[in-house]
Amino acid sequence: QKEVEQNSGPLSVPEGAIASLNCTYSDRGSQSFFWYRQYSGKSPELIMFIYSNGDKEDGRFTAQLNKASQYVSLLIRDSQPSDSATYLCAPSSGSARQLTFGSGTQLTVLP
Amino acid sequence: EAGVTQSPTHLIKTRGQQATLRCSPISGHTSVYWYQQALGLGLQFLLWYDEGEERNRGNFPPRFSGRQFPNYSSELNVNALELEDSALYLCASSWTPEQFFGPGTRLTVL
Repeated sequence: QKEVEQNSGPLSVPEGAIASLNCTYSDRGSQSFFWYRQYSGKSPELIMFIYSNGDKEDGRFTAQLNKASQYVSLLIRDSQPSDSATYLCAPSSGSARQLTFGSGTQLTVLP
Repeated sequence: EAGVTQSPTHLIKTRGQQATLRCSPISGHTSVYWYQQALGLGLQFLLWYDEGEERNRGNFPPRFSGRQFPNYSSELNVNALELEDSALYLCASSWTPEQFFGPGTRLTVL
């Protein structure tokens, strides 16, 4: 079993729709959870982080965390073509500060 | 605020040579992290430096090493290069747990 699993996609949504990206992780010691966006040929860009169970909203982005189910998700509301990228989920195990990345979900927002 | 910077942008080496990659963190950040993004393998953690000390190491052989300088900049050294070392090497910096990435160095081993 992979440590961090994401649907590789590609996930296609129409412009203006909600994109839902999911991630499961195996390390129960994970305390912090990060979502990065990576455009083709570019480095990852931090877009959201969440530490506590529940929802965290930032603009069009909402991160959801359920530690009991070892599940974290990212919702993108009012998706735009500029959101087309690969989204990487990365849990972190506390003091180790090591991010373990999933393979990413490729999102395409269709105009 | 200037972001994380890395040099060089591209680096071409031959098998058996050594490569040195450099990273300057965001001002005020004391931690520097190195990751490897090889084609088909995803982003993998290499090393974490904080306050000049190596704090954590990923599952990579000892020929991957580095250091952090008093100004918190860092360099990654890869000795005895192998073809499979060809990858994008990313540096990230942080003050809090959130890590911010630089643009990367593309290493090609011929």
